[in-house]
Amino acid sequence: DAKTTQPTSMDCAEGRAANLPCNHSTISGNEYVYWYRQIHSQGPQYIIHGLKNNETNEMASLIITEDRKSSTLILPHATLRDTAVYYCIVIKAAGNKLTFGGGTRVLVKP
Amino acid sequence: EAQVTQNPRYLITVTGKKLTVTCSQNMNHEYMSWYRQDPGLGLRQIYYSMNVEVTDKGDVPEGYKVSRKEKRNFPLILESPSPNQTSLYFCASSLYSAVDEQFFGPGTRLTVL
Repeated sequence: DAKTTQPTSMDCAEGRAANLPCNHSTISGNEYVYWYRQIHSQGPQYIIHGLKNNETNEMASLIITEDRKSSTLILPHATLRDTAVYYCIVIKAAGNKLTFGGGTRVLVKP
Repeated sequence: EAQVTQNPRYLITVTGKKLTVTCSQNMNHEYMSWYRQDPGLGLRQIYYSMNVEVTDKGDVPEGYKVSRKEKRNFPLILESPSPNQTSLYFCASSLYSAVDEQFFGPGTRLTVL
């Protein structure tokens, strides 16, 4: 599976949009981009995933560049409860193993 | 309520004393897996199972065993725990594979003295 690169940490103001970048320059055509988050020692939680089209759900939006080498997770109106570590993961279709990197530690400030 | 449960949630034990951490899901998922999480090393996959009686090693399987005799249960067995297995453990399940949305349990914090 392709490796991902994320910033180690970022701050965000409450009520503002949080834009979390992820680089996956070695992604191949049959690999999906997944985002999970982990709130302080709880089990990780699925947020969203995509292959090449932009995706939106009730939690977030996922913007994938046309060449698929990078993506951005957007939390449209960050709240204090969005403070967490966010993981960007690339995984092959029908993949068996999930590999978490270091993630981005997001701190939402009042 | 759809969920993944783990027991115990907290455990302190001594080196060499066999232990089992149970994991159960009520969503009829085929895929289940175990992770450990350590400071600075992130989440690492220990073992996974694609279905009953089908298990395979993840990235850090040494010192662990698993079994999948029933679809809903996927226990993690430490035959002879050592202090370097002190960690936070998570079980997860999904419909068919790692590509499907993973549902994680609440975690088991294990300390081996």
